[in-house]
Amino acid sequence: AQSVTQLGSHVSVSEGALVLLRCNYSSSVPPYLFWYVQYPNQGLQLLLKYTSAATLVKGINGFEAEFKKSETSFHLTKPSAHMSDAAEYFCAVTHQGSTLGRLYFGRGTQLTVWP
Amino acid sequence: DVKVTQSSRYLVKRTGEKVFLECVQDMDHENMFWYRQDPGLGLRLIYFSYDVKMKEKGDIPEGYSVSREKKERFSLILESASTNQTSMYLCASSAGLAGGYKQYFGPGTRLTVT
Repeated sequence: AQSVTQLGSHVSVSEGALVLLRCNYSSSVPPYLFWYVQYPNQGLQLLLKYTSAATLVKGINGFEAEFKKSETSFHLTKPSAHMSDAAEYFCAVTHQGSTLGRLYFGRGTQLTVWP
Repeated sequence: DVKVTQSSRYLVKRTGEKVFLECVQDMDHENMFWYRQDPGLGLRLIYFSYDVKMKEKGDIPEGYSVSREKKERFSLILESASTNQTSMYLCASSAGLAGGYKQYFGPGTRLTVT
């Protein structure tokens, strides 16, 4: 069985501060991991994904995530928050060899950025 | 760019009505998905389809059905809408392994059942 846990349903940071959104996964086989972002009243947009190549993955808008197998984690970071980063962020997992490509999503983390 | 479109952004229906939510993708993807999104619960999979006329139940299929008569179109049907089906509904499509399992999402339909 696969699952994702996002620690912290709400995270607040000041503009310019480090953003850290936590994601831990459970998978009995090598995972594919994703971070998606959802701006208000929009669908989800892919930020970045890990597919067993480099463990440090760079995405759009200055975000990156590091795959740590020993910690079963895939935390999302950005060195300096911008007001436009305020959104909801979702971590998701599937596995190599998945024939149907179903993704298992976490419950989401709402990021607030204060001026 | 892949485009996934949903027939309505906002919909208001009465309890007991039959409701159709339509989703169309333009990338010839085999796999299509319907999710509902509720605050604090994230995305929950209702149904998915991996080919025309093929479907699989997700985690919360009760009260819903789906139809996939053409590859590009995946419909979600609420047979008899109830107030607890008030939610945001998101459609997604994917090329599966060939696309690295990336799912492309539509803008969502916010359904209110009164």
